[in-house]
Amino acid sequence: AQSVSQHNHHVILSEAASLELGCNYSYGGTVNLFWYVQYPGQHLQLLLKYFSGDPLVKGIKGFEAEFIKSKFSFNLRKPSVQWSDTAEYFCAVNAPGTYKYIFGTGTRLKVLA
Amino acid sequence: DGGITQSPKYLFRKEGQNVTLSCEQNLNHDAMYWYRQDPGQGLRLIYYSQIVNDFQKGDIAEGYSVSREKKESFPLTVTSAQKNPTAFYLCAAEGFTGELFFGEGSRLTVL
Repeated sequence: AQSVSQHNHHVILSEAASLELGCNYSYGGTVNLFWYVQYPGQHLQLLLKYFSGDPLVKGIKGFEAEFIKSKFSFNLRKPSVQWSDTAEYFCAVNAPGTYKYIFGTGTRLKVLA
Repeated sequence: DGGITQSPKYLFRKEGQNVTLSCEQNLNHDAMYWYRQDPGQGLRLIYYSQIVNDFQKGDIAEGYSVSREKKESFPLTVTSAQKNPTAFYLCAAEGFTGELFFGEGSRLTVL
């Protein structure tokens, strides 16, 4: 069955620390990959997405993610986090042309000022 | 302001009652989705609709029903048959480039 794994459920960092959140998926075919973020009290919004091309994609607020096909991974990174990055982050996978979006269980990030 | 509007934001229900959650969009997107979000479980698909007057069951449709009479509207009814309805419910529409646009959610508590 298709699945998405986010191994870090809770992450606590100090401001200016570097961030890497893991995302692995199991799906045999071509995929579209997404990272969504849910800030406290706000709706889920798109952080970045990968459909094809350059496997290193850049999103909003200084986030980036790298698609490594051989590892079925799409890890999210940010060189220096800010207190305002405190949020829950979800990785998601979609097979192109289908309705099915598979979400990971989410990672709660807390950044200490 | 454009986007997905869900109401109510908070809802309390007694056991045995049906409740309907509203989802309206002004983005002119065809596909709409309902997800359930529980702590530590991510988002699970309840129902989706690709066009008006058509909808399909997702992974956890039991105890839920939907309708899609208008493009803009995709209400979800949580019926008394849903055994564990207390949850956070999210409605989304699929954009033209494949990303999902979410509403702010409705938190349902069964007393």
